Amino acid sequence: DAGVTQSPTHLIKTRGQQVTLRCSPKSGHDTVSWYQQALGQGPQFIFQYYEEEERQRGNFPDRFSGHQFPNYSSELNVNALLLGDSALYLCASSSQAGGAETQYFGPGTRLLVL
Amino acid sequence: AQSVTQLGSHVSVSEGALVLLRCNYSSSVPPYLFWYVQYPNQGLQLLLKYTSAATLVKGINGFEAEFKKSETSFHLTKPSAHMSDAAEYFCAVIMGSGNTGKLIFGQGTTLQVKP
Repeated sequence: DAGVTQSPTHLIKTRGQQVTLRCSPKSGHDTVSWYQQALGQGPQFIFQYYEEEERQRGNFPDRFSGHQFPNYSSELNVNALLLGDSALYLCASSSQAGGAETQYFGPGTRLLVL
Repeated sequence: AQSVTQLGSHVSVSEGALVLLRCNYSSSVPPYLFWYVQYPNQGLQLLLKYTSAATLVKGINGFEAEFKKSETSFHLTKPSAHMSDAAEYFCAVIMGSGNTGKLIFGQGTTLQVKP
């Protein structure tokens, strides 16, 4: 059983560009959450998707947007990249929205903005 | 508002020694608490979770944690450290009721294990 997968593993962009990160949840999971982990910090919640809708959003600007597809996979889009967007972006999946269901994390996408 | 504080950004122990990683939480409602481990260049792996059942929670790789409501703590312990335990450890909280699965993480503690 494949766990949570993310692509690409690494990405280099320049300021002002746009980026799309992808996540495939663990089999049987219907909820996807995205987190940003800056170097030396704990992950910060960006938003969560369930039934193709954004259920909750963290304290991130509108430059960060997402989408969930009918097969439960998800994309994270970041527009007008800033140097401060350089981070490890983690996707986590779980089997239901809310509750204490374990969130399973993917290996992350490391984004470097130059 | 919920928050998590991990005391000590860096902990160093000798192989075979007790591991103690400290976590205190702030939550206005009964929390769900988690410990995750992150090895270099990898994602997060769940060690254990507390969801209002037994206060002493046993996890993988010999780790356990005890929920103490009076101290608002959820410290992680392991009786005997192995070299393979060297990693970054994160404590996280989810609000207990009406929550949406938003994990709030502490800043992390780097565990170094010396031979």
